[in-house]
Amino acid sequence: DTAVSQTPKYLVTQMGNDKSIKCEQNLGHDTMYWYKQDSKKFLKIMFSYNNKELIINETVPNRFSPKSPDKAHLNLHINSLELGDSAVYFCASSRGNSEQYFGPGTRLTVT
Amino acid sequence: QQQVKQSPQSLIVQKGGISIINCAYENTAFDYFPWYQQFPGKGPALLIAIRPDVSEKKEGRFTISFNKSAKQFSLHIMDSQPGDSATYFCAAAGFNDYKLSFGAGTTVTVRA
Repeated sequence: DTAVSQTPKYLVTQMGNDKSIKCEQNLGHDTMYWYKQDSKKFLKIMFSYNNKELIINETVPNRFSPKSPDKAHLNLHINSLELGDSAVYFCASSRGNSEQYFGPGTRLTVT
Repeated sequence: QQQVKQSPQSLIVQKGGISIINCAYENTAFDYFPWYQQFPGKGPALLIAIRPDVSEKKEGRFTISFNKSAKQFSLHIMDSQPGDSATYFCAAAGFNDYKLSFGAGTTVTVRA
């Protein structure tokens, strides 16, 4: 039944490590997004893919690399993790540029 | 630079009262204005959305008022209930634009 799912839900890691977050949607949508929500709850878009093509690439460090193996999946790989990367990362999906449906989030803590 | 300014940062309302959250924008290309509701530990969920061709949209106890000339829109929660306690985000996007610009969020607490 889950529309947009993310794994893992929690991720605790040390500085300098590389980690990945996975996202899957079963809504048949063609567009997927990654958002970052900081400690003040501010939501900011990072990336978006439409039909597996990158259409939004905000100013984020190039340590962050999204990958879309197919329309239903969008993964986020983060290299050389830093303390400032600690946040909640949300995946979302939509049909075209219509309503966006968010996943439950992945809380990343870098120590 | 935040493209959508949201206020207040937080508000407390008694059960049965009205919660009002305001948002303002500068980009006249924006033509889609959704509101999202987020409970602790959950992802944002679309609550209600409006386009500039109407000045008001109501869904149950939730109403969006839109003032195109003032470039402002607001969310009214009527008969607020404890279950409405959450963080509310306004957002905006341009025509055919995939990018949502979010406000900073308003934490609403409804006291029983």
